[in-house]
Amino acid sequence: EDQVTQSPEALRLQEGESSSLNCSYTVSGLRGLFWYRQDPGKGPEFLFTLYSAGEEKEKERLKATLTKKESFLHITAPKPEDSATYLCAVREEGDDKIIFGKGTRLHILP
Amino acid sequence: DAGVIQSPRHEVTEMGQEVTLRCKPISGHNSLFWYRQTMMRGLELLIYFNNNVPIDDSGMPEDRFSAKMPNASFSTLKIQPSEPRDSAVYFCASRGRQGHSGNTIYFGEGSWLTVV
Repeated sequence: EDQVTQSPEALRLQEGESSSLNCSYTVSGLRGLFWYRQDPGKGPEFLFTLYSAGEEKEKERLKATLTKKESFLHITAPKPEDSATYLCAVREEGDDKIIFGKGTRLHILP
Repeated sequence: DAGVIQSPRHEVTEMGQEVTLRCKPISGHNSLFWYRQTMMRGLELLIYFNNNVPIDDSGMPEDRFSAKMPNASFSTLKIQPSEPRDSAVYFCASRGRQGHSGNTIYFGEGSWLTVV
């Protein structure tokens, strides 16, 4: 069973059309949940770390939220330059490993 | 500040050849991770080191894969012999010391490996 599941696998939106990406996780104790952005041909770029349920973080048009079972990445009024793959990852309490989901490919149409 | 530096960026090699991928972590970071990324399986953790010591290599797919970290500034991932199914992007990432700011890992740009 995957510890980190992201949905949808792919999402196409019109410019300005807000939406949310989901990341559900099954670790027993969460040390941290991470969101990364990956552009084609590049390495993942760090966006946010969330540590506890109820926490929220924002950066430009992106806002990440966390509950005890899942995290959402909300994208408000997206622009074409927000097109990328968004990766979610978790670190379990007592473990050094960071495990990634398969990502959501987001495409914003102008 | 220099980020994680990987080389080569691209490599095309013939089946059966030895492949060596190199990584220089961010200065001062004490944890180093090797990941492999494919369309089918996403980002898979292969092995990670703390303070130059391999801690968990359970993700290394076969004995053909080996990794070393001879010092805090350098790590290698070696595949010998290489096979076409090893074709993927290999990422190196590093992380600083413990504490909230030490929780995040930072990636290099990857090494794109094609085995023909």
